[in-house]
Amino acid sequence: DQQVKQNSPSLSVQEGRISILNCDYTNSMFDYFLWYKKYPAEGPTFLISISSIKDKNEDGRFTVFLNKSAKHLSLHIVPSQPGDSAVYFCAATIKTTDKLIFGTGTRLQVFP
Amino acid sequence: GAVVSQHPSWVICKSGTSVKIECRSLDFQATTMFWYRQFPKQSLMLMATSNEGSKATYEQGVEKDKFLINHASLTLSTLTVTSAHPEDSSFYICSAPQVQETQYFGPGTRLLVL
Repeated sequence: DQQVKQNSPSLSVQEGRISILNCDYTNSMFDYFLWYKKYPAEGPTFLISISSIKDKNEDGRFTVFLNKSAKHLSLHIVPSQPGDSAVYFCAATIKTTDKLIFGTGTRLQVFP
Repeated sequence: GAVVSQHPSWVICKSGTSVKIECRSLDFQATTMFWYRQFPKQSLMLMATSNEGSKATYEQGVEKDKFLINHASLTLSTLTVTSAHPEDSSFYICSAPQVQETQYFGPGTRLLVL
């Protein structure tokens, strides 16, 4: 049972434009959500997070939106840069447990 | 920033041998660490929670006798894959929570069992 899903396995975006990565979850108990960036054969790198009491969090070029009623979150990267090319994982957790449940990942490719 | 290291970065072993993977938090103490496994083109799957000074807790479907976890100190957790078989070949990653809800991940260990 995949509690966190990223339905788009890949995304290709031109440099300078916006990248939108989507994530859906099923467990209404999740109260904290995170996005990680991962390169092959490396551990994930934390990007940005959002608490369930908020609907938006922004950090530089990265913005995460949360729609609790739809159990949906998205990561916006603008402007996209070639260095953003990587696999992006969303993750969800119940804060009291610290356990992260990861989505299946979306491979983002930013081309010049 | 917080750093989590893993050793070795990758290992090749014969079927039936045991392999130990170390996870260290380098500049902070971690009473809890997590072990994940990632198969090619798949998500990171939580295997177990490593608890300093007590037994690890395993996720459903993960054999505790197969994947031995020892959290001997506040900066070190080890995962031992016992009697490894080719199906255990995977990318193993540890993580440690530092600041609120944010976990820092190690660089991962690639295991190939022949």
